[in-house]
Amino acid sequence: AQSVTQLGSHVSVSEGALVLLRCNYSSSVPPYLFWYVQYPNQGLQLLLKYTTGATLVKGINGFEAEFKKSETSFHLTKPSAHMSDAAEYFCAVSGNTGRRALTFGSGTRLQVQP
Amino acid sequence: DGGITQSPKYLFRKEGQNVTLSCEQNLNHDAMYWYRQDPGQGLRLIYYSQIVNDFQKGDIAEGYSVSREKKESFPLTVTSAQKNPTAFYLCASSIGARDGTEAFFGQGTRLTVV
Repeated sequence: AQSVTQLGSHVSVSEGALVLLRCNYSSSVPPYLFWYVQYPNQGLQLLLKYTTGATLVKGINGFEAEFKKSETSFHLTKPSAHMSDAAEYFCAVSGNTGRRALTFGSGTRLQVQP
Repeated sequence: DGGITQSPKYLFRKEGQNVTLSCEQNLNHDAMYWYRQDPGQGLRLIYYSQIVNDFQKGDIAEGYSVSREKKESFPLTVTSAQKNPTAFYLCASSIGARDGTEAFFGQGTRLTVV
């Protein structure tokens, strides 16, 4: 079975500060990893994904994530937070298990202080 | 514009009633999914379908039913057997033919039992 653990249900940063949202995965097969963002009462929007190849993945809105197999991690970062980044962020995993549905973490709510 | 449409946005149900949530996509995707979202628990998979006339139970299928008679449509029925149906329900779709493909989400339906 595959699973994702997001450390920290709430993260607060100041505007302009570094954003770091943590995600660790468990998978018996090479994983495919995703980060999604959700604004209140809306659906999820894909930020970025890792499938194969380059381990540093760049996404939309200045976010990026690095796949580290040795640490089973896929942390999301952004060098400088903006007020509009305040939202909930979900890490997800899928793999070659025959079940292509994504398995999600419990989410991290990001607050950005002025 | 292509996308996923969920309706209604808000739904109220009396205890003991069945209700059906609509999900339609015009992305020509083969795979469709239903997730349930509760605060602090992330998204949990209810049912998924990888092709028309076929679907599989996810992690929390008890008290729910689905059908997939058309490629574009994947309605979810919340039955009276679901003991705690109040939640935010998200429908998603993906190309489905390959592992590692991302899911696209609708805007969700918030169901409240009154």
